[in-house]
Amino acid sequence: QSALTQPRSVSGSPGQSVTISCTGSSNDIGGYHYVSWYRHHPGNAPKLIIYDVTKRPSGVPDRISGSKSGNTASLTISGLQAEDEAHYYCCSYAGTYSPYVVFGGGTKVAVL
Amino acid sequence: QLQLQESGPGLVKPSETLSLTCSVSGGSVSSRSYYWGWIRQPPGMGLEWIGNVYYTGDTYYSPSLKGRVTISVDTSKNQFSLKLNSVTTADTAVYYCARMFSSGWWVDYWGQGTLGTVSS
Repeated sequence: QSALTQPRSVSGSPGQSVTISCTGSSNDIGGYHYVSWYRHHPGNAPKLIIYDVTKRPSGVPDRISGSKSGNTASLTISGLQAEDEAHYYCCSYAGTYSPYVVFGGGTKVAVL
Repeated sequence: QLQLQESGPGLVKPSETLSLTCSVSGGSVSSRSYYWGWIRQPPGMGLEWIGNVYYTGDTYYSPSLKGRVTISVDTSKNQFSLKLNSVTTADTAVYYCARMFSSGWWVDYWGQGTLGTVSS
């Protein structure tokens, strides 16, 4: 299976919005409503911020949102804050008869 | 509060087997709502799913690692384990154990991660 495709980096100033794309195929993102996103600060464990494409776990602010169109999922962070500077990974459930999980390569978000 | 803790040798020689265990507290590996998985991150690289196990012992593995990996669950000890054989330096990574929701396999709890180094 191939990793999902994410931009290596995006940046924005405090208060601005950034959007991270995650492109897969009909075998993963396009075929299931099971896209998740994780925020990862180096040295810590990753943290779930979006699941089932659009849902936020308890405690995740509503300025973080997810969406999907066809084979591409997106994560939008509005009102950028210093704490948002981290690596972000998309992830999708995949496979029909032999299920598996595939991650994106990760995107570094820089807050200027 | 659920907690996951990885343990195992941090250094393994090439061609040998990397063995890690994840101890679960504050929850049960026998829950029907979750799978228990392993995910790794090589230095400077992204996350890679290794595989999952259900409390019944059913397993699912990454196609790229299938044949080298075995994941098992011990409900009596409330833990699950990873064995990766014939390791090379490319298997050097931080290894995370994780709880994955049964529908969609997203991870809601992660262990802190343990560095597994392959070196002679």
